[in-house]
Amino acid sequence: DGGITQSPKYLFRKEGQNVTLSCEQNLNHDAMYWYRQDPGQGLRLIYYSQIVNDFQKGDIAEGYSVSREKKESFPLTVTSAQKNPTAFYLCASSRETGLSGELFFGEGSRLTVL
Amino acid sequence: AQKVTQAQTEISVVEKEDVTLDCVYETRDTTYYLFWYKQPPSGELVFLIRRNSFDEQNEISGRYSWNFQKSTSSFNFTITASQVVDSAVYFCALSEEAAGNKLTFGGGTRVLVKP
Repeated sequence: DGGITQSPKYLFRKEGQNVTLSCEQNLNHDAMYWYRQDPGQGLRLIYYSQIVNDFQKGDIAEGYSVSREKKESFPLTVTSAQKNPTAFYLCASSRETGLSGELFFGEGSRLTVL
Repeated sequence: AQKVTQAQTEISVVEKEDVTLDCVYETRDTTYYLFWYKQPPSGELVFLIRRNSFDEQNEISGRYSWNFQKSTSSFNFTITASQVVDSAVYFCALSEEAAGNKLTFGGGTRVLVKP
């Protein structure tokens, strides 16, 4: 079945450690996105990529990094510079490269910093 | 700047009742898109509808209906004859052409349908 796979589903990290969240899609979509979800705040855009080897900062990119070496993959690294990394992270993709397209989401990764 | 407000944080209804979720948006752009997404307990968001700013026709899809009113900057969502499977968090979102079409989400409304 086509879709977006995020791993791990749950992740615990000690302060000061970097952690990488995986996002893979087999929908053949050009555009991919990372969102952060905090209770009561909706989703906020971290980074997005409209094509391989290119990505753009979203609204809250500080403390995060991404890469887009393959069309199918868009991993997100939460670095030690991110002040409050405990959150639910959602990866998405869209067939349209403009951001007004319908987004397809993964099931998310919940990161907890101990 | 674009902004989306979902004033209702949580709504609880009994099965078969209707429930309306409010969404109010702010934009200076004349070309924009409005969306509703559903987030069930499994976590992934599921696309429900997209409406562009030039199409004010209301839409009905099964038990779901949407009322878009530019005069009040609202894009409300009604679930008719609610079912337990409708229990989820629902997000309204806006993208503006002038802002590169980045999606801005509201804070979400949690709907709890009791049997």
